[in-house]
Amino acid sequence: QVQLIQSGAEVKKPGASVKVSCKISGYSFSELSIHWVRQAPGKGLEWMGGFDREDGDTIYAQTFQDRVTMTEDTSTATAYMELRSLTSEDTAVYYCSASYTFAAYWGQGTLVTVSS
Amino acid sequence: IQMNQSPSSLPASVGDKVTITCRANQGVGNELDWYQQKPGKPPTRLIYATSSLQSGVPSRFSGSRSGTNFTLTINSLQPEDFTTYYCLHQSNYSGWTFGQGTKVEIK
Repeated sequence: QVQLIQSGAEVKKPGASVKVSCKISGYSFSELSIHWVRQAPGKGLEWMGGFDREDGDTIYAQTFQDRVTMTEDTSTATAYMELRSLTSEDTAVYYCSASYTFAAYWGQGTLVTVSS
Repeated sequence: IQMNQSPSSLPASVGDKVTITCRANQGVGNELDWYQQKPGKPPTRLIYATSSLQSGVPSRFSGSRSGTNFTLTINSLQPEDFTTYYCLHQSNYSGWTFGQGTKVEIK
């Protein structure tokens, strides 16, 4: 059974950075495409970016291009998403998603609250 | 690429057949998935590649395409189906694009 376990909730001040982790088990990490999606309170799903295993490229949404970095540690099968220069509008639940053709799995979500 | 999902709200009753539509502003082939999201939970994939039913998903869910219009159909709504649905287009070039979401509500 594939599992994605994300790091715990975070509270950050405006201007700070946050790094969310996503540990994957139950499937070959190197065969999964991993993406990050966020959801502000009461809002829809917003794609932030991801790594496409077929292309070997990381692509970021234009909205986040300048202040997000997505990395992975294959030795621990963990993906990371760092978002910088936080504002109150970044308050949201952040999800990681790992997929291959026939299946897609999501982490439980990490609530990031940005407040002074 | 933009995905225009409609309606945003869909009142329905148990046993109804409902359809949700996503329209792409350009050709996207069959690269369209449908997700269900229950409150406080991550999304779960129902349909991938326009019409392939995800393993374990009830057969009352189905997907289809006509040109750049994609449809999710739920036959005989069950109580657990009253929640929010999203379409998702994935592109190796432009990334992911979600529809705005459709909330299926009790009439």
